[in-house]
Amino acid sequence: DAGITQSPRHKVTETGTPVTLRCHQTENHRYMYWYRQDPGHGLRLIHYSYGVKDTDKGEVSDGYSVSRSKTEDFLLTLESATSSQTSVYFCAISLRGTINALGNEQFFGPGTRLTVL
Amino acid sequence: QQQVKQSPQSLIVQKGGISIINCAYENTAFDYFPWYQQFPGKGPALLIAIRPDVSEKKEGRFTISFNKSAKQFSLHIMDSQPGDSATYFCAATPGNGGATNKLIFGTGTLLAVQP
Repeated sequence: DAGITQSPRHKVTETGTPVTLRCHQTENHRYMYWYRQDPGHGLRLIHYSYGVKDTDKGEVSDGYSVSRSKTEDFLLTLESATSSQTSVYFCAISLRGTINALGNEQFFGPGTRLTVL
Repeated sequence: QQQVKQSPQSLIVQKGGISIINCAYENTAFDYFPWYQQFPGKGPALLIAIRPDVSEKKEGRFTISFNKSAKQFSLHIMDSQPGDSATYFCAATPGNGGATNKLIFGTGTLLAVQP
């Protein structure tokens, strides 16, 4: 599992409330990603980070923000949750730039199932 | 140009048969092509990956076939087993270009292997 944990694993919240999801890694990887997974869409990139305090938007970033104040933690915040943000959220790390990497090997955490009522 | 198109959407195979899932891409800058396997309630797990300097890569019962000129790649699962029943995703990325190295995913194939 590449030492990736996500919390919480399940969350039910109401429309309009802020929500923060946490991704924690133990292996000092530089690159971290947040994806959402929805039926028929596969995995879509929300935001990513290429170092502490270095983040950028993915293809579905509207309504989400991220922060990375230390290497091991990458936080995803829904400022004001909407029903369209009901999804399963996955965090991932990349081995890019490491000695044995073939390319952009990404390893995923166990996911957070978020329901917005 | 950033899309990866995956087919079929679902697949039913008999135990012992060969499962074949196909993907196509347009962006010639892509040069790393992984396949992921996902079981219900779990995160995607890297299964096998290939770079375009080879046409085939085999790991156990799993083989990637790569056709650079056609911009297509496929996953073959030999001697398919009920335990292989899962959703499979192809993906692609520029291997070393830029700071982002975003993985672009296909929409997934739900494989059911019948005993």
